[in-house]
Amino acid sequence: DQQVKQNSPSLSVQEGRISILNCDYTNSMFDYFLWYKKYPAEGPTFLISISSIKDKNEDGRFTVFLNKSAKHLSLHIVPSQPGDSAVYFCAAIRAGGGKLIFGQGTELSVKP
Amino acid sequence: GAGVSQSPRYKVTKRGQDVALRCDPISGHVSLYWYRQALGQGPEFLTYFNYEAQQDKSGLPNDRFSAERPEGSISTLTIQRTEQRDSAMYRCASSLRGNLGEKLFFGSGTQLSVL
Repeated sequence: DQQVKQNSPSLSVQEGRISILNCDYTNSMFDYFLWYKKYPAEGPTFLISISSIKDKNEDGRFTVFLNKSAKHLSLHIVPSQPGDSAVYFCAAIRAGGGKLIFGQGTELSVKP
Repeated sequence: GAGVSQSPRYKVTKRGQDVALRCDPISGHVSLYWYRQALGQGPEFLTYFNYEAQQDKSGLPNDRFSAERPEGSISTLTIQRTEQRDSAMYRCASSLRGNLGEKLFFGSGTQLSVL
């Protein structure tokens, strides 16, 4: 049962344009959502998060949008840079639980 | 230490052997997590600790898998009688207080290959 889904395994974007990575979830009990970024041969690193009581959180070039009615969140990167090329994982967690549930990941390639 | 340290970086073993994977979290971090990641997939939760107490082991696939963190710092994930399907990247992560939404710091992982 895949509670967090990233349906696009890969995405290619031109440098300077917007990258939009999507994530869907099935469990309405999730209270917090996070995005992690992973470079080859490294562990995932935290990028940005959003609480379920908000619908938007912005940090520099990165913005996460949450649509609870649709059980959908997205990560916007603008402008995209070649250094953003990595695998991006969406993750979700419930209050009271330490278990962070990850999606399958989307590999972003930003071309110069 | 500066980051989460895992050892060994690579482990190749024969089917039926036991393996022990070590995780040294960031100093002072209360919570420690074990994840398993198959190629092309996201990390899959195995278990986690607050201090030395194992809070949730619901992700451990079967009773061949066990984990401990006896002094609330270093943790060991042990797989007994390994099988080929156990081959994966095993990742450890830690967080400062284990609060909701708090970011996890991941190690580089141990790549386990069972022949």
